[in-house]
Amino acid sequence: DQQVKQNSPSLSVQEGRISILNCDYTNSMFDYFLWYKKYPAEGPTFLISISSIKDKNEDGRFTVFLNKSAKHLSLHIVPSQPGDSAVYFCAASGGSSGSARQLTFGSGTQLTVLP
Amino acid sequence: GAGVSQSPSNKVTEKGKDVELRCDPISGHTALYWYRQSLGQGLEFLIYFQGNSAPDKSGLPSDRFSAERTGGSVSTLTIQRTQQEDSAVYLCASSPTGIDTQYFGPGTRLTVL
Repeated sequence: DQQVKQNSPSLSVQEGRISILNCDYTNSMFDYFLWYKKYPAEGPTFLISISSIKDKNEDGRFTVFLNKSAKHLSLHIVPSQPGDSAVYFCAASGGSSGSARQLTFGSGTQLTVLP
Repeated sequence: GAGVSQSPSNKVTEKGKDVELRCDPISGHTALYWYRQSLGQGLEFLIYFQGNSAPDKSGLPSDRFSAERTGGSVSTLTIQRTQQEDSAVYLCASSPTGIDTQYFGPGTRLTVL
């Protein structure tokens, strides 16, 4: 059973416009959420995170929104740039103390920013 | 500063052979994690170290998989009697304390023929 879901495997956006990547989760014990970007043949690169006590976190062009009641988070990239083209993974941690802080990942969304 | 490094970057092996994958975490990070990404799949948690001990091994898929960490630093993931389904990219991550952001290495691509 997937606890973190990214329902859109791919997204194409025009350069300069907003990219919105979505993520849903089912485990109400998750209390920390992260977005990673991954280029081919590289490891995931940390982008931005948010804890469950907040509903928004902003870092430059990247903003993450968390809606706890809907168990939904989203990543907004404004303005989108061709260099943003990559696979974006949503991840969550929390839960029982026995599982420490392992991350549970979604399956990823391939973002393509068209020049 | 130096990030997480992993070696080898690529490993091709024959079914039934043993392999060792190495991870050098960011200096000073107490927590170390192993994940793997199979073709077309998301990242799957394997094992977590806090210092040299592994409080969470819940993700190891079988007893052919083992891992150790020494000196609170380098970790090796060993796969015995490799099978074709072990083919994947094996990723290592570290974090300063274990309850914060994890930083990933470039991964080791393992191909079992």
